[in-house]
This record gives sequence, C-alpha cells and structure tokens, in this order.
Amino acid sequence: DADVTQTPRNRITKTGKRIMLECSQTKGHDRMYWYRQDPGLGLQLIYYSFDVKDINKGEISDGYSVSRQAQAKFSLSLESAIPNQTALYFCATSDQNEQFFGPGTRLTVL
Amino acid sequence: AQSVTQLDSQVPVFEEAPVELRCNYSSSVSVYLFWYVQYPNQGLQLLLKYLSGSTLVKGINGFEAEFNKSQTSFHLRKPSVHISDTAEYFCAVSDGITGSARQLTFGSGTQLTVLP
Repeated sequence: DADVTQTPRNRITKTGKRIMLECSQTKGHDRMYWYRQDPGLGLQLIYYSFDVKDINKGEISDGYSVSRQAQAKFSLSLESAIPNQTALYFCATSDQNEQFFGPGTRLTVL
Repeated sequence: AQSVTQLDSQVPVFEEAPVELRCNYSSSVSVYLFWYVQYPNQGLQLLLKYLSGSTLVKGINGFEAEFNKSQTSFHLRKPSVHISDTAEYFCAVSDGITGSARQLTFGSGTQLTVLP
C-alpha cells in the first residue's frame, strides 16, 4: 500500500463550488504539506503543518484553506473554486531528510 | 530566502548518450539540495540529496550530482540514458537553518526526453 494517498485522483468541478482534497499518510510523520503544480512553474507551497496544532501559510495560500484532522490526515479546501485553480495538487510528508509525495490530484475548474 | 533556477526547460537526448541537467541556487545561508523525478502521471520521487560531506552524490537509477558551492550549482548527470529516464526532473533547495527537508523551494523543472 502507498505511504501517502490522495483522494480523489481526478476531479472536475464548476466555478463557485466548494471542493475538498484529502491526504492520508501511514509514515508516522508530523510534517505534512500541500503543493500546487502548474506547467513551467514547478511546485508552489500552499500550506504546511508541522504537527496537528501547527498550520502555516505557504507562498500561494489565497483562496485555499486546510484542516489537520489527525497526525495522519491533512485536507485542502477550495471554498469557492475558480478556473485559475485548475492544476495538479500534491500532498507530501517529511522526515528530517526527505519529503515523500502522494500521487497527486488533478483538479479542473470549469 | 532561497531560489532555484533550472536553466533548461526541455532537454532532448538520444538513448545511451550522456546528459546533464543544470541547477543553480541562491541562498544567503548554507543549503541542502535535492533532485526529484516525476514520471508521467505519478508523484515526485527522490533521486538524490546533498546534506553534507562529499560533494559528489550518487542516487538511484545511475544518476549523480555534484555540489559546487563556489558556482552555487548542483547539476545532475547520467553517463548513458535509457528510454525509461524520460520524465520531468526538479531541483530543490532547503536552507540549513530550518532543517534539511522541512521547507523546500523547487525549480521550475526540466523535461528530459530520451529519443530512440
């Protein structure tokens, strides 16, 4: 079984809808991250959490919110989706020396 | 704050030829450096990392990279590529203050295409 899982893997939605992307990990790491990937831009950090009570904004947090329900679960929400949030979203966890990535969620906002 | 520049967005190369993917970084403090690979429709997988010690780092699948502090570079090399190496490659940097992998800044990626 994969160590970092993301659901759904693909999602198409309409402008203005609320969307939640979920991430679960079995690695036992305290640190979790949400990134967005756009062609030619690499990965940009949206939010990160170093433990259940610690949530921090990344470089592109506007329009997004997160919830750390447990050590193993970190959800990303788009309260009112817009077309420029169409992207590939990755969840990651880390130990001291490496970040481990989930398979990604491809989100399309029409 | 640190930044990463991957100088080539696309690198086509023939099978069995050598390849070098270039990465330069800027940082005012000591750094940790990483190369990740993303195969089509998959997440990112660590190829190799430089944390300390020898500046020549060997990774998986025959890749290696050399940390050059004076040139602020961390170029990725492979002496003979295979079709299966076709993927996007990302260079990333983390500063030495907040911890090696706590916060990574990624480059924009280099698409390596290996041609038959």
